[in-house]
Amino acid sequence: AQTVTQSQPEMSVQEAETVTLSCTYDTSESNYYLFWYKQPPSRQMILVIRQEAYKQQNATENRFSVNFQKAAKSFSLKISDSQLGDTAMYFCAFMKHVQSGYALNFGKGTSLLVTP
Amino acid sequence: SQTIHQWPATLVQPVGSPLSLECTVEGTSNPNLYWYRQAAGRGLQLLFYSVGIGQISSEVPQNLSASRPQDRQFILSSKKLLLSDSGFYLCAWSVVGQRTSYEQYFGPGTRLTVT
Repeated sequence: AQTVTQSQPEMSVQEAETVTLSCTYDTSESNYYLFWYKQPPSRQMILVIRQEAYKQQNATENRFSVNFQKAAKSFSLKISDSQLGDTAMYFCAFMKHVQSGYALNFGKGTSLLVTP
Repeated sequence: SQTIHQWPATLVQPVGSPLSLECTVEGTSNPNLYWYRQAAGRGLQLLFYSVGIGQISSEVPQNLSASRPQDRQFILSSKKLLLSDSGFYLCAWSVVGQRTSYEQYFGPGTRLTVT
């Protein structure tokens, strides 16, 4: 089974500091995609960053970057210079094949609170 | 640019009543479409997905059903709601084709409370 585990239900960080959210996954596939989504209090799901498994270089989007360790099946999200607007639930997701296509398998999420 | 709409935004329905949630996508053709449910304090559970008009696949057996009457319209229905159907329902779409990188784009969601 393809599972996604986020072991940190809640985290807190001060404004301008750096925080790392953990994610591990389990798959037997060799090529796949991983994602981090952000869900602020508005509950709109927003794509933060994506990583293709065949690419060794870690993805980066402005203040957001990932540490992708394929052998360890680890996919952590680092947020630098945290801002109050980063307060949200963060979901790690794994692309999985389904019967006639593909879908996303989500972890249970990490609630991040950025404090002044 | 592409946009995705869901309505209603909020819905309160009694147990045993019918349900119809609608999702439409603009600015793209032949997208893959998805319905997810998010229970309180939990991640997203895939309910249905569709790769084309009239083509619906279900991931989880339940009293819900889905239909895709038009290319960019996806409807989630129930004939008789259960208390356990309460939750936040999200519709999503993704690009189909060789250049896809499999990410999905989500609508604003519908908060359903069954009383």
